[in-house]
Amino acid sequence: EAGVAQSPRYKIIEKRQSVAFWCNPISGHATLYWYQQILGQGPKLLIQFQNNGVVDDSQLPKDRFSAERLKGVDSTLKIQPAKLEDSAVYLCASSLQGVGYGYTFGSGTRLTVV
Amino acid sequence: ILNVEQSPQSLHVQEGDSTNFTCSFPSSNFYALHWYRWETAKSPEALFVMTLNGDEKKKGRISATLNTKEGYSYLYIKGSQPEDSATYLCALPLDSGNTPLVFGKGTRLSVIA
Repeated sequence: EAGVAQSPRYKIIEKRQSVAFWCNPISGHATLYWYQQILGQGPKLLIQFQNNGVVDDSQLPKDRFSAERLKGVDSTLKIQPAKLEDSAVYLCASSLQGVGYGYTFGSGTRLTVV
Repeated sequence: ILNVEQSPQSLHVQEGDSTNFTCSFPSSNFYALHWYRWETAKSPEALFVMTLNGDEKKKGRISATLNTKEGYSYLYIKGSQPEDSATYLCALPLDSGNTPLVFGKGTRLSVIA
């Protein structure tokens, strides 16, 4: 089966610029997640979608981050304007519903804000 | 807030050595525990999902055990190889519903040839 597709792989932007990341999950996986992994820390959830509805966005910095999942398939995550502390790896994952199912991750986007 | 602790933070072993590391979590309200391996420049890869106290899982030279009563899981690698070099992540869901995983900081393993 095809994996979770993410793009771009790398992005370097200046602070105050905007950036967008794209994710295409595993076909049939209703749940999609965006995680942020800052160097030296574990991945932190930004937002969880179930189909095209938001389940959890409590840790999403909504003043600068936004995400959508149109038609319950692809998803985009946007940062506008970016700050230096947004430098991180942004991981997209999808899964079937239930605690016994693992995630399938994309390869991530490494963002550097200078 | 679910606190998932992993130790050690990093370790270096010689090729052929066996090694193990720990994931600690609150023993109350346990639902499942996930282990992932994340190699540099690749996607995190699911290793095991464990749900029952006393569970033991094995995949090649990697195995894991689970003790939900005392709140820990061990990951063992027998005869480490350079290709085992990666960050090993432990994660648990907040509850039994459709909640996301909470990850530990990971253990970064380097296997020296």
